[in-house]
Amino acid sequence: ELKVEQNPLFLSMQEGKNYTIYCNYSTTSDRLYWYRQDPGKSLESLFVLLSNGAVKQEGRLMASLDTKARLSTLHITAAVHDLSATYFCAVDYYGGSQGNLIFGKGTKLSVKP
Amino acid sequence: DTEVTQTPKHLVMGMTNKKSLKCEQHMGHRAMYWYKQKAKKPPELMFVYSYEKLSINESVPSRFSPECPNSSLLNLHLHALQPEDSALYLCASSSGTGDYGYTFGSGTRLTVV
Repeated sequence: ELKVEQNPLFLSMQEGKNYTIYCNYSTTSDRLYWYRQDPGKSLESLFVLLSNGAVKQEGRLMASLDTKARLSTLHITAAVHDLSATYFCAVDYYGGSQGNLIFGKGTKLSVKP
Repeated sequence: DTEVTQTPKHLVMGMTNKKSLKCEQHMGHRAMYWYKQKAKKPPELMFVYSYEKLSINESVPSRFSPECPNSSLLNLHLHALQPEDSALYLCASSSGTGDYGYTFGSGTRLTVV
């Protein structure tokens, strides 16, 4: 059974600081997804990482994937209040004939002035 | 059209009611999913349809009954629900090829009274 572990689960940051969220998973997968969720809203896709060594950046967020270590990171640079949200990583898991996403528990990020 | 449309956005139902959630996509995606998300928790997979056939049922109680009338539509029929079934129900679709992205709908906020 695939397990996806995120840490930290809660993160309180000051504006302008940098930090990294970690996502470990327990079985082989080449596809790793990062989503953002605002309170009461659905999931917003941030990054899709499809191969070992993949790195993607959008604004103040950068995600990377190391499939050998089964580790993905989401790095936040110079945080701003607008980044406050819950961030989920998810791994594409083929338990049968069809893949599906298994989510980590999420990291609740709060950026304070 | 790059969206997954879910209706209704909000639903309040009694424990003896029968209701249905609807999900529609016109991206030609071959797989469609129902996820359930309780407050402050990650989404949990309920059902997967692949090419209009039920591929995965994550041991969901029979009071939840999925239906895939065609490749663009996915329904979730609800009957005799319990208050603990109150949650955000998310529909998603994926192509299984190309960018391997998963597209989520805006969700249905269900309250069982």
